[in-house]
Amino acid sequence: QVQLRESGPGLVKPSGTLSLTCAVSGDSIRSLNWWSWVRQSPGKGLEWIGEIYHTGSINYNPSLKSRLTMSVDKSKNQFSLNLDSVTAADTAVYYCARDLNYFDYWGQGILVTVSS
Amino acid sequence: QAALTQSASVSGSPGQSITISCTGTSSDSDVGGYKYVSWYQQHPGKAPRLLIYDVTYRPSGVSDRFSGSKSGDTASLTISGLQPEDEADYYCSSYANTIVVFGGGTKVTVL
Repeated sequence: QVQLRESGPGLVKPSGTLSLTCAVSGDSIRSLNWWSWVRQSPGKGLEWIGEIYHTGSINYNPSLKSRLTMSVDKSKNQFSLNLDSVTAADTAVYYCARDLNYFDYWGQGILVTVSS
Repeated sequence: QAALTQSASVSGSPGQSITISCTGTSSDSDVGGYKYVSWYQQHPGKAPRLLIYDVTYRPSGVSDRFSGSKSGDTASLTISGLQPEDEADYYCSSYANTIVVFGGGTKVTVL
């Protein structure tokens, strides 16, 4: 059974960097899948952030691209997200998901609040 | 990129069938041009759950009461035999030139 689990700080200060990691079990990060981040602001819909392949290839949401960095750690079977210069608008539940042109496995989500 | 357009809410009585639509921005991109349309169900406080992928395919474990279709630049999710546990938010998604777009979501209410 494939499982994904997000981890990281639940509180980030404005103008700081939001850093999250998604640990994958039950599948190899080196498999023929992409791995995505999706977020959901309180009371709002889903927003795709970006996806990464184990080779390091990345596709970003154009609206977030200038602030985003994504990476893969094959030795730990996990992938990560860094979002710079955060504001209150970045407060959301952040999900990681396995990406086969659709998202079949999701993490439980982690709430990240941007506040001083 | 513009989100896919979904109706804000749909309601129905138990046992009825309802259809949720998802309209893309043009016939040559996202929903219209791609087979990678998927649908997700989300209950409050929970992660989304995949219901339909590649327009019409159901993952193992998803009830056959859920079905997907596409015509032109509009994809649809039909829920047959509506049940109380179907009350949730539903999202469509598609790829548009290596970018993923989601619909704004449809709240389904079971009367």
